[in-house]
Amino acid sequence: EAGVAQSPRYKIIEKRQSVAFWCNPISGHATLYWYQQILGQGPKLLIQFQNNGVVDDSQLPKDRFSAERLKGVDSTLKIQPAKLEDSAVYLCASSLGPGTGFGQYFGPGTRLTVT
Amino acid sequence: GEDVEQSLFLSVREGDSSVINCTYTDSSSTYLYWYKQEPGAGLQLLTYIFSNMDMKQDQRLTVLLNKKDKHLSLRIADTQTGDSAIYFCAETYNNNDMRFGAGTRLTVKP
Repeated sequence: EAGVAQSPRYKIIEKRQSVAFWCNPISGHATLYWYQQILGQGPKLLIQFQNNGVVDDSQLPKDRFSAERLKGVDSTLKIQPAKLEDSAVYLCASSLGPGTGFGQYFGPGTRLTVT
Repeated sequence: GEDVEQSLFLSVREGDSSVINCTYTDSSSTYLYWYKQEPGAGLQLLTYIFSNMDMKQDQRLTVLLNKKDKHLSLRIADTQTGDSAIYFCAETYNNNDMRFGAGTRLTVKP
């Protein structure tokens, strides 16, 4: 079974530029998550999708971050404009559904450096 | 508070047992998880425990849950150098949202 795929793996941009990350979840997983992991910290949830609907985006900085999952499969996360403090690893995860107890399965992440 | 707390570092010798501790916050968490993160990689699900259990064993891994104290631990028996990584505990809240600790960096010395 293929895992969660993410691209790109690394991205370096200047502040005020825009960037987009892509995620393809495990086949059949209805729930998709985006996390931000700052160096030395655990992942922090940004947004959760159930199929193509947003379940929780309470911690997404909506003035600069946006995410979509148009067909209920792939998802993109965008930052526009980027700030220095956005430097982090952005992790995508998927699960069969909420409350399944099977946990979330993570992709390798995209390491973003904002200079 | 709302923080899941873990000690930041643990160092053991190869062949010894490792015990990584975690204090969580949400007494209504249905599941509690342990994840492993190796350098440059995403998080790998190691094991989980349902909240009505006290203990779960899975090969070299033993998870203990004390709901009264909201304390979770992960014991790794016969720790190997390949076990060196950062270990995160996570609690669930809302609709399978997860709250992670800051991670415990396990170093295994030969």
